[in-house]
Amino acid sequence: DAGVIQSPRHEVTEMGQEVTLRCKPISGHDYLFWYRQTMMRGLELLIYFNNNVPIDDSGMPEDRFSAKMPNASFSTLKIQPSEPRDSAVYFCASSPGTGDYGYTFGSGTRLTVV
Amino acid sequence: QKEVEQDPGPLSVPEGAIVSLNCTYSNSAFQYFMWYRQYSRKGPELLMYTYSSGNKEDGRFTAQVDKSSKYISLFIRDSQPSDSATYLCAMSVPNNNNDMRFGAGTRLTVKP
Repeated sequence: DAGVIQSPRHEVTEMGQEVTLRCKPISGHDYLFWYRQTMMRGLELLIYFNNNVPIDDSGMPEDRFSAKMPNASFSTLKIQPSEPRDSAVYFCASSPGTGDYGYTFGSGTRLTVV
Repeated sequence: QKEVEQDPGPLSVPEGAIVSLNCTYSNSAFQYFMWYRQYSRKGPELLMYTYSSGNKEDGRFTAQVDKSSKYISLFIRDSQPSDSATYLCAMSVPNNNNDMRFGAGTRLTVKP
């Protein structure tokens, strides 16, 4: 298995532009998570899906953030419009289920908004 | 007070040293405890996984949980330069894997 695949690895964009981050979870994993990591705040859970359905989006900072999971093998996190304070590393992770197996993280997307 | 507290370091040790990394927590409902290792510019990877109190050993790594003190530790024996990374503790309640709480991470450097 190739693991959790995220794209792009790096994204530099200008303030006000739309940014779309992509994630392919491990096949067979029912849970998908989007995290944001910064030096100041560490790892923050933004939203998670169970069987493609958003379950908890209470961590999404603002309405500028949205996430979708149209099928079991693909998810997107969109920021529109982007702001400099959105600069962070965004991780996608997946998990087999509620058996407490821990998460498998992707390599992340490093976002810089200038 | 944060639910999970972890000293961010940085921690620097010579090669071969024994390393002790620690986290404290406040939620007594936590029963699953994990340690993740994160190399620079990579995602966290699951290193150790323990349930409830006690010790678990895996090669040079030992995870220890003391539920009475709400304290968990990760020990690394014979540390190597390749162990240089950030170590994050994480914990969750039973049957709610989706509500995992992470520590801030401790940055470790092992000098040759």
